Amino acid sequence: AQSVAQPEDQVNVAEGNPLTVKCTYSVSGNPYLFWYVQYPNRGLQFLLKYITGDNLVKGSYGFEAEFNKSQTSFHLKKPSALVSDSALYFCAVRVNTNAGKSTFGDGTTLTVKP
Amino acid sequence: NAGVTQTPKFQVLKTGQSMTLQCAQDMNHNSMYWYRQDPGMGLRLIYYSASEGTTDKGEVPNGYNVSRLNKREFSLRLESAAPSQTSVYFCASSEATPNTEAFFGQGTRLTVV
Repeated sequence: AQSVAQPEDQVNVAEGNPLTVKCTYSVSGNPYLFWYVQYPNRGLQFLLKYITGDNLVKGSYGFEAEFNKSQTSFHLKKPSALVSDSALYFCAVRVNTNAGKSTFGDGTTLTVKP
Repeated sequence: NAGVTQTPKFQVLKTGQSMTLQCAQDMNHNSMYWYRQDPGMGLRLIYYSASEGTTDKGEVPNGYNVSRLNKREFSLRLESAAPSQTSVYFCASSEATPNTEAFFGQGTRLTVV
């Protein structure tokens, strides 16, 4: 069975500081990893994904994520946080088996304070 | 480009009433999904459809039924609503290949009283 863990329910950072939102996963086989963002009263929006190749992937709004196979992690990062980055962030994993279904973490609420 | 459209956006039901949540996508995706989102529990898969004409149970299917009407539309039905089904429901679609991202509707906030 595949699973995703987001160990922090909440992350608080000051505007201008770097931010990290953590994600670890467990799968059989090679994972495809995704980050999504959800703003209040909206659906999830895709941010970035890791398929293969370079372990550092870049996505929308200045976000990036680093795939670490040995630590089975896919942490989301941004060098300089904005107040507008405040939202709920979800990590997700898909594999070639299991009908390609996504498994989502429970989400991490990011709050960026001015 | 509308993407994934869900209706209605809000609904209040009395216990025992039935209703159907509608979802349509215009991206020609094969796969469609219904999730529910509850505080602190992330997204839980209710049902999915890997392609037109097929549907399968997800993690929490009890109390729900689905219909993949055609490639565009995937509806979720509550036959006899219960307070435990109070939640926010999201429809999503994606290509069948697992290295592709999902696209989500804006959600339906359902309250069962």
